Amino acid sequence: AQSVTQPDIHITVSEGASLELRCNYSYGATPYLFWYVQSPGQGLQLLLKYFSGDTLVQGIKGFEAEFKRSQSSFNLRKPSVHWSDAAEYFCAVGASSGGSYIPTFGRGTSLIVHP
Amino acid sequence: DAGVIQSPRHEVTEMGQEVTLRCKPISGHNSLFWYRQTMMRGLELLIYFNNNVPIDDSGMPEDRFSAKMPNASFSTLKIQPSEPRDSAVYFCASMWGSTEAFFGQGTRLTVV
Repeated sequence: AQSVTQPDIHITVSEGASLELRCNYSYGATPYLFWYVQSPGQGLQLLLKYFSGDTLVQGIKGFEAEFKRSQSSFNLRKPSVHWSDAAEYFCAVGASSGGSYIPTFGRGTSLIVHP
Repeated sequence: DAGVIQSPRHEVTEMGQEVTLRCKPISGHNSLFWYRQTMMRGLELLIYFNNNVPIDDSGMPEDRFSAKMPNASFSTLKIQPSEPRDSAVYFCASMWGSTEAFFGQGTRLTVV
């Protein structure tokens, strides 16, 4: 069965600093990989996704992620964090099922941004 | 499109009462997911429908939980009877083919 590990429960950064959120997955086949962001009281919004091709994926809000098959990782990065980036971030892996796939989520990483 | 619409946004009910959560997926999407989010367990998949048919309900915690999708534009998640440990945020998400899942705003359920 597929699984996702986000080893950091909380990450604190200063505004303007760079950010990297870690994600490791376990899945037997080529995975579909996603990063979602959740603001308080809101649903999950897709930041970016990897299905195939270029392993460096660009997303919305200046985020990017890199798929590294050898490390089973899909880390999220941003060169300069803004205070509005404070939120919960979820990595997900898609496991194929009946012509579609089922997203399985990690436990999330809470990003705190200091002014 | 207005996105995935869930109702109600908040529900407070007494233990033992029946609770029904509703979801309207994005038009044209053929997959629908119900997730439960808690501090202890994170985001758990409860059930997954494809073309209105339940494909995987292994995440439904017990018989008190049931879900239906009578047509492509509506799904319900019912808890009967409800218990305090069911308190959580319940999300519905929909997807077309093998693209990306779009989430609703969630229903915050409190069982007292």
